[in-house]
Amino acid sequence: AQTVTQSQPEMSVQEAETVTLSCTYDTSESDYYLFWYKQPPSRQMILVIRQEAYKQQNATENRFSVNFQKAAKSFSLKISDSQLGDAAMYFCAYRGNTPLVFGKGTRLSVIA
Amino acid sequence: DVKVTQSSRYLVKRTGEKVFLECVQDMDHENMFWYRQDPGLGLRLIYFSYDVKMKEKGDIPEGYSVSREKKERFSLILESASTNQTSMYLCASSFPTRQVRDGYTFGSGTRLTVV
Repeated sequence: AQTVTQSQPEMSVQEAETVTLSCTYDTSESDYYLFWYKQPPSRQMILVIRQEAYKQQNATENRFSVNFQKAAKSFSLKISDSQLGDAAMYFCAYRGNTPLVFGKGTRLSVIA
Repeated sequence: DVKVTQSSRYLVKRTGEKVFLECVQDMDHENMFWYRQDPGLGLRLIYFSYDVKMKEKGDIPEGYSVSREKKERFSLILESASTNQTSMYLCASSFPTRQVRDGYTFGSGTRLTVV
C-alpha cells in the first residue's frame, strides 16, 4: 500500500520569507500524481499544486513550487514570499490507481 | 462555481444514535469519497464509490456504512454512534481514475460530536 509521510507536524515562517515543507512517499507504481492541499481555518481543502510523476520538470504555481525527486520519493513544497494568508494546515497527497492517500499534515504559522 | 455540499457544518449526536451525513456534488463526478480527519492522523479514507450503487471499503470502514442511490449524492451512515467517532468528516468527489491528474473537490466538512 502507498504511504505518505510528512515529518514536520508544525512549521513557522516570518512574513515575506521562504519556507519548505517536506513530504516523502512510498509506492511501487510508476504512474501517479502528487498533490499539496491547503486547509485554512475555514476547513475548505484547496488544491495548491500538482505534479505528474512522469514529468521531470518541477511544478510551479505563483509563489508555490515543488522539488520533486522521483528516485528519492520526495515531494517538498516551497512557499516564497510568505503571506499571512498562507497560514494553514498543508497536506501532501498521493494518487495512483487507488483513492488519494494523505500525509498527516503540517501546520504552518506565519509570523508578522 | 462547482461545489461539494455537506448538509451540516456542525452536528451533535448521542451515543447509540443512527447518524446520517449527507454529501451532494454538482460536477457530474463519478467518484465520491468519505474521509475522516483527526489531529495528528491526517485524512483517513472510510468508504468510496466509483459509480451509483457501488461502494468500496477504505482503510477504516468499521462502524460506518454508505449509500449511493444517485450519482450526485453519497451518504455516510453511522449505524450506532460512539464517542470514538467524534471527528471531522470530509466528503470529496472526482472524475474517474483514468483522469487521474485531477485532484479531488472537497466539501467544507462536518464536525461531528458524539456525547
